[in-house]
Amino acid sequence: DTGVSQDPRHKITKRGQNVTFRCDPISEHNRLYWYRQTLGQGPEFLTYFQNEAQLEKSRLLSDRFSAERPKGSFSTLEIQRTEQGDSAMYLCASSQRTGRHDYGYTFGSGTRLTVV
Amino acid sequence: AQSVSQHNHHVILSEAASLELGCNYSYGGTVNLFWYVQYPGQHLQLLLKYFSGDPLVKGIKGFEAEFIKSKFSFNLRKPSVQWSDTAEYFCAVNADLSGGYQKVTFGTGTKLQVIP
Repeated sequence: DTGVSQDPRHKITKRGQNVTFRCDPISEHNRLYWYRQTLGQGPEFLTYFQNEAQLEKSRLLSDRFSAERPKGSFSTLEIQRTEQGDSAMYLCASSQRTGRHDYGYTFGSGTRLTVV
Repeated sequence: AQSVSQHNHHVILSEAASLELGCNYSYGGTVNLFWYVQYPGQHLQLLLKYFSGDPLVKGIKGFEAEFIKSKFSFNLRKPSVQWSDTAEYFCAVNADLSGGYQKVTFGTGTKLQVIP
């Protein structure tokens, strides 16, 4: 499978615990994005990387959230001290940027986080 | 900042009816525009995209969209829907800012239900 892979598919955690999600993008893609989606809403931007550099973080991303993309390949998104409001689908997408253009995202299946 | 409005939250159509889903964006400069679709239980998939050139773009499964710059609109159309088109549809915009195209901003989505 050469698509975007996310692991795990589902995560149930107790409030206050830390969780980490992984995303493996399409190997030829140099950009990787994290979005969050809640019921009835469209995907909300969290952060993105070009290669290993994190270029932008949303104001939605509190200090409890951190993302990394070591070596410009896979990425991890960690949420510390989870809260019930963190319950959502966390989406990863990758794309290829050439010059000024970004040619559209390929999304993974997402990680559904439930904080109880 | 770029934003996207989808005014129809839930649309119900009978098979063979024509479809038009509205999308308006708010950015006066150069934009890339997208429609994504999410079928029940599946991940987001790119339906079609506009970068430049002919403002009428054709996508997969008989969908098309027309970019009307003067109206800041990018409405999605299909002449005759099928039951298999039941899904949630997201309009999205990517603006060409000073550093080039950055992140994509999504609308809140329109749920389409097609009745056999």
